[in-house]
Formats: sequence, structure tokens, C-alpha cells
Amino acid sequence: EVQLVETGGGLIQPRGSLRLSCAASGFSVSSNYMTWVRQAPGKGLEWVSTKRDDGTTYYADTVRGRFTISRDNSRNTLSLQMNSLRAEDSAVYYCARGTIVDGHALDSWGQGTMVTVSS
Amino acid sequence: QSVLTQPSSASGTPGQRVTISCSGSRSNIGSNTVNWYHQLPGTAPQLLLYSDNQRPSGVPDRFSGSKSDTSASLAISGLQSEDEADYYCAAWDDSLNGYVFGTGTKVTVL
Repeated sequence: EVQLVETGGGLIQPRGSLRLSCAASGFSVSSNYMTWVRQAPGKGLEWVSTKRDDGTTYYADTVRGRFTISRDNSRNTLSLQMNSLRAEDSAVYYCARGTIVDGHALDSWGQGTMVTVSS
Repeated sequence: QSVLTQPSSASGTPGQRVTISCSGSRSNIGSNTVNWYHQLPGTAPQLLLYSDNQRPSGVPDRFSGSKSDTSASLAISGLQSEDEADYYCAAWDDSLNGYVFGTGTKVTVL
């Protein structure tokens, strides 16, 4: 069974750093596109970053230069290093797996982890 | 600000057919396939349709998708109470080099 479990969220002060992790089971993170999506309270979905199976990475303009997506194949984990955090980064962060047919079609999602940026 | 525009709400009575539109541009819907997600309150989104009109295993055939030029649509036929959720379209955008979600549509079953 495919499962994704995010951890690492919490309360952080503006300009601080936080690292989110997404532990995968039932498949290999290195074999699929893996994506982070966030959702601010009461708002819609916002794409954050994608790492393709070939290692290519993509970032939303709002986080490029501040966030870094990475994966640890040995631990089968996806991570999101978030630096220089801002209030507008506050959201539930989901990691999701892309399908084999269309890597950007996200067929499995974690439960999400909440990040609150506030002083 | 999302580049894919959806109506903020849609509604219908049980058994009715509801359609949700998703308007984009040549760089996203016009060049790439569209995916649809739904999200029940307090839960993670779920993939509803991929590659414009393909249903993942387990999604009932009441859900169907179509695309024309730079717009896409999701149709829910035989509306049921459990269909009450938020619905999002999404597509890769070649200009932004990123994945874009629609503004979201809240479906209410009257």
C-alpha cells in the first residue's frame, strides 16, 4: 500500500528555517515525480516544488531561492528545506506522488503538516 | 494568483448533472493535459481525473472530463451528497515552468 507521511511542521519565526520530511512506503521516491503542494488556511491549493525521477527540480516563483527539494533514496524520503520563511508561507504542506503515466498528476497524498510563520 | 480560473461555486440537487469549467491559456491547458482533484473538508486532495479525462482506479464513471483549446471541464452526473467538496483543475504551465492549480470550486448538494 502506498503511503506518504509528512513531518517537521510547526511554529517558526519570520526569517527562520524549517525542514519538512515525507516518508514514503509502498514505492520508491526515486521512481516517480514527487511534489510539494501547500494550502494556506481557507485558501486554495498552491504548487510549491517538484522533483522528477531524473533529478530535475522545479520551484514556484514564490519560493525559488528560499526552498530546496531533495530526496534520500536510501531512506525513501522526500524533503523540503525552507529558509527565510515569511508569514505568507504559513500553510499545510502536502507531499504527493506523481503517476507513472503523467508525473504531474498526483495520485497519492500525505496527510499534510502545518507550518505557521509568526513572531 | 492562479492562472487557471474556475467558478467559485456550483450546486445541484441529488441526481442532477453539474459542470465545472476551468479556463486557462495556451501555455498551460492549451499545451498540456489537465488533471482534476477533489478535496473533502479537513482532508488531503485526491486525484479525480488525469490526462484530461482518465479516471484512476476507484473513481466512478459519474465523473468525466473534457478539454477544448484553452479550457477544460469536469462533469459530475448523478450528483450525490458525498460529492460535496472543493474541486480543483491543474496543469503544467510551459511559460511558468511550474504546475498551476485552478482557483477551486465548491460544490454544494442541495
